[in-house]
Amino acid sequence: DAKTTQPPSMDCAEGRAANLPCNHSTISGNEYVYWYRQIHSQGPQYIIHGLKNNETNEMASLIITEDRKSSTLILPHATLRDTAVYYCIVKSSNQAGTALIFGKGTTLSVSS
Amino acid sequence: NAGVTQTPKFRVLKTGQSMTLLCAQDMNHEYMYWYRQDPGMGLRLIHYSVGEGTTAKGEVPDGYNVSRLKKQNFLLGLESAAPSQTSVYFCASFDRPDDEQYFGPGTRLTVT
Repeated sequence: DAKTTQPPSMDCAEGRAANLPCNHSTISGNEYVYWYRQIHSQGPQYIIHGLKNNETNEMASLIITEDRKSSTLILPHATLRDTAVYYCIVKSSNQAGTALIFGKGTTLSVSS
Repeated sequence: NAGVTQTPKFRVLKTGQSMTLLCAQDMNHEYMYWYRQDPGMGLRLIHYSVGEGTTAKGEVPDGYNVSRLKKQNFLLGLESAAPSQTSVYFCASFDRPDDEQYFGPGTRLTVT
């Protein structure tokens, strides 16, 4: 699986959009980009994933560049409850026993 | 719909003792994974199952055994606990390799 690079930390004001970048320059054609987050000591929570096209769900939007070498997770209106570690993960979709490889992630701090 | 539950939430063991961690899911998922998370590190796959009656080794299987006798339950056993097994253990379930993984709340295990 391709490696990802994320900034170690980011700050965001409550109510503003949080834009979390991820670099995955070695991604291959069958690998998806997944985003999970982990709120202090809880189990990881799925946010969104995509292959090529931009994706949106009730939690966030995922923007993937045309060359697929980087992506941005957008939380449109961050709240205090969005304070968490956010993980960008690249994973092949079709292999059993392939674990999610969580790197160090980005610690997002949302403040009022 | 409880999702993924884990029992117990906390446990302290002495070196050499044994215990079983239970993961239960009510979503009829085929795949179930056991991960461990150590401080400042990502999740590492211990063992996994792709369906009832099947198990396979992940990245760090030594010192652990698993069983999946019923589709909804995935048991992780420590036969002779060691301090190196002090960790937070997360269970995850999902239906297909490219699906989102649903995580339990974790079991915090300390081996003294």
